[in-house]
Amino acid sequence: GAGVSQSPSNKVTEKGKDVELRCDPISGHTALYWYRQSLGQGLEFLIYFQGNSAPDKSGLPSDRFSAERTGGSVSTLTIQRTQQEDSAVYLCASSLGQRDTQYFGPGTRLTVL
Amino acid sequence: AQSVTQLDSQVPVFEEAPVELRCNYSSSVSVYLFWYVQYPNQGLQLLLKYLSGSTLVKGINGFEAEFNKSQTSFHLRKPSVHISDTAEYFCALIAGAGSYQLTFGKGTKLSVIP
Repeated sequence: GAGVSQSPSNKVTEKGKDVELRCDPISGHTALYWYRQSLGQGLEFLIYFQGNSAPDKSGLPSDRFSAERTGGSVSTLTIQRTQQEDSAVYLCASSLGQRDTQYFGPGTRLTVL
Repeated sequence: AQSVTQLDSQVPVFEEAPVELRCNYSSSVSVYLFWYVQYPNQGLQLLLKYLSGSTLVKGINGFEAEFNKSQTSFHLRKPSVHISDTAEYFCALIAGAGSYQLTFGKGTKLSVIP
């Protein structure tokens, strides 16, 4: 079946602009995760959604970052007033439940000029 | 807090030779361990995982790893590599029965030389 999909695959933006990154998880997966992959920091956890529970936002680096998950499926990660240090690959993953195998999407490469 | 250390950032190896990618971890609670592979411009793909039971875990593409609790290690091995194994490999853990976020190592770039 279809895997995790993310859009856009690449995004170039100017410093100070807002961006939205989209993730479509595998159908039926109740858990959804966002991670960030950057040269300096490696792979970092950002946020976790599980069903209708309140998300775990403990990994978000600043209040410029937010995420939502509508209808228990699609998720959008929003970065406001982007900074150059936000440049990274943003990876989305989903799993059947907590601690089940996380399946990753291809990522969105964000470049902030 | 937990952490994962991948001791080698780059490993070159000749085709058909064996390879070992090293991973050590630190955690004050029980862990679940994973190896992921990332091919260029692609997402992460699970190679294998250790949750419990047998300490020798076999994964896809001929890879295997052994969980060693006393040495806090989870090294990845393959007896004979192929050109197609050229990729970056990440060791990761989930710490504690109630946790879910993956903590990753910095990655090891495996280059297979023809």
